Amino acid sequence: GAVVSQHPSRVICKSGTSVKIECRSLDFQATTMFWYRQFPKQSLMLMATSNEGSKATYEQGVEKDKFLINHASLTLSTLTVTSAHPEDSSFYICSARDRVTGFGTEAFFGQGTRLTVV
Amino acid sequence: GEDVEQSLFLSVREGDSSVINCTYTDSSSTYLYWYKQEPGAGLQLLTYIFSNMDMKQDQRLTVLLNKKDKHLSLRIADTQTGDSAIYFCAESLNRDDKIIFGKGTRLHILP
Repeated sequence: GAVVSQHPSRVICKSGTSVKIECRSLDFQATTMFWYRQFPKQSLMLMATSNEGSKATYEQGVEKDKFLINHASLTLSTLTVTSAHPEDSSFYICSARDRVTGFGTEAFFGQGTRLTVV
Repeated sequence: GEDVEQSLFLSVREGDSSVINCTYTDSSSTYLYWYKQEPGAGLQLLTYIFSNMDMKQDQRLTVLLNKKDKHLSLRIADTQTGDSAIYFCAESLNRDDKIIFGKGTRLHILP
């Protein structure tokens, strides 16, 4: 099946620094990518929808200036956590839909990035 | 707005059937999904069902949809230790729309 690769899988950064997480669709083109944040005790929250070549659509309550999303190509979207704080520590997961099949039945998920801010 | 609810935990004995339930609020949802997440990993699509279907069976998995009650269930027959994971119910309005997830049900397998 289609593969979505997230990098890095784990990152530890100092408070106040910025961290970039990459999400790549390896064998398909993704017009739309989604960024999720998974909180402790399982809850998976949609942060934003990223469309290639246009601005991301953020969900209510998600700070646009803090979580910068760029979707520069059909195979790459990036999430940058700016001025990270310990409360930003979380598991971030991206997903992408195949542009060609676009059937809507499957969004492929990355393996996630564990961010720890110290 | 969209909301998906499911119980957080389920314990089942190995060999028994597991039934994970989910309710959703948006009657416009067209696609309903079940995803599986193993520890430290991303999400894997297990199965999906269209809103115009009542049931879908795929090997050990059976999905039942009661559209009137906005209730979705996933039945795993002959539950194995490898089925131990978190199962997420999810829905989307359209084929290209965002997918909204429930909080996930952690399935624990008893020996």
